[in-house]
Amino acid sequence: DIVMTQSPSSLAVSAGETVTINCKSSQSLLSSGNQKNYLAWYQQKPGQSPKLLIYLASTRESGVPDRFIGSGSGTDFTLTISSVQAEDLADYYCQQHYSYPTFGGGTKLELK
Amino acid sequence: EVQLQESGPGLVKPSQSLSLTCSVTGYSITSNYWGWIRKFPGNKMEWMGYISYSGSTSYNPSLKSRISITRDTSKNQFFLQLNSVTTEDTATYYCARYLTTRVLAYWGQGTLVTVSS
Repeated sequence: DIVMTQSPSSLAVSAGETVTINCKSSQSLLSSGNQKNYLAWYQQKPGQSPKLLIYLASTRESGVPDRFIGSGSGTDFTLTISSVQAEDLADYYCQQHYSYPTFGGGTKLELK
Repeated sequence: EVQLQESGPGLVKPSQSLSLTCSVTGYSITSNYWGWIRKFPGNKMEWMGYISYSGSTSYNPSLKSRISITRDTSKNQFFLQLNSVTTEDTATYYCARYLTTRVLAYWGQGTLVTVSS
C-alpha cells in the first residue's frame, strides 16, 4: 500500500484567508514514463458525496474555481485555497492514483 | 449527466453478506470504469474495487478474499457483495465512476450500512 498522510487534521480559518493543506505519500507518485504526479484532491461537504477538485496533482476538474490550486511532486503535495469562502468549509482528502487508490485521513476546514 | 444511486439493506448481521446495488443513469456502464469506495466512522476512506467496461474486476488486496463486484448491463447496474462481514465493515458505501486512471469523478450519494446483531 501507498500510505497517504495529510496535515493538519483540522484548520480554522476566516473568510478571505489563504489556506494550505499538505499531503505526503510513502512513495513517489511521479511516473518516470510521463513525468506526471498521480495525486488527486477531493472536497466533501456535510451530507454530500466527495467532489473531485484536482487530479494529476495540479489539473483542476471542470467547473472547479481557480482559487483551488494543487501543487507538489514526488512525495509532497499541497492544496492551496486562496481567499477562502464560506462555501469552502468542508473536509478535504488527498488520494494517490499511482496504484490502487489510497486516501489521506482528511482535513476539516472550519470557520474561525 | 451521469447519476449514480446506491441501494441495499442498511443493517446486516455479523458473518452475513453485504449486498449493494449501484444504479446508473445518463451513461452506459459498458464504458469506463466503475468503483466502490467506503468511508468509515472517523472518516477513513477505503477504495474497495472496480469493474471495467468489459466486465473485468480489480479489488483492494485487503478485501480480495471477501469481495465480488458484478454487473447487469441490461439494467445498467453494478453490484457489490462483501462476505463474512464484521462490525468493522460498518461504513457509508459509495459507488463512483472513474474520470481517468484511478480518479473518481462522479459519486453516488452514499448509503450507510451498519453491521450489528
